[in-house]
Amino acid sequence: SYELTQPPSVSVSPGQTASITCSGDKLGDRYAYWYQQKPDQSPVLVIYQDTKRPSGIPERFSGSNSGNTATLTISGTQAMDEADYYCQAWASSTGFFGGGTKLTVL
Amino acid sequence: EVQLVESGGGLVQPGRSLRLSCAGSGFTFDDYAMHWVRQAPGKGLEWVSYISGNSAKTGYADSVKGRFTISRDNAKNSLSLQMNSLRADDTALYYCVKGTIAVAGERFDSWGQGTLVTVSS
Repeated sequence: SYELTQPPSVSVSPGQTASITCSGDKLGDRYAYWYQQKPDQSPVLVIYQDTKRPSGIPERFSGSNSGNTATLTISGTQAMDEADYYCQAWASSTGFFGGGTKLTVL
Repeated sequence: EVQLVESGGGLVQPGRSLRLSCAGSGFTFDDYAMHWVRQAPGKGLEWVSYISGNSAKTGYADSVKGRFTISRDNAKNSLSLQMNSLRADDTALYYCVKGTIAVAGERFDSWGQGTLVTVSS
């Protein structure tokens, strides 16, 4: 088994930078992925392979991964970014998600 | 456009079985691994299982190993999840999810809308 730990909640003011962390044993040796889920919607990939953005994802979303921690950073956070965010990684062809972080923009 | 449409959810008693299906379209189905990810009401995401593009490899979360079986029919562009010995903690919205390579280990780039499974007496 492989455990990924996220803070349950993060708050940010509009226009400021939000950082959401994801911790796991030697996570930096694996790729980290980030998914955004808004209420009553299916998750959407926002960062893959630690730092890459899928087409259609705004440039304000960025990622990093080193040591035991991956970080999702949202620069110039907008109200529309309010959502749950989940990190995800693979270990021995088994998928693991973090517990999720509720991002509140207030 | 990729479309994934799940079906087969419903209310089932503990200990009974249920089979979920997913119809895929808009992509070359057998080129990609397919996954099931679930979400209990008000809770986070949990990866459940995957199957490689040619069905040669499968994988399961410890929580479902020995009870759930994933399969696919590439001729019909369909994915299935046979769930046996269901428990109350299997209650969740089950998502059909497309990978981006033929095996596990990469991102999930398309998700269905989910099918709800409720295990209760």
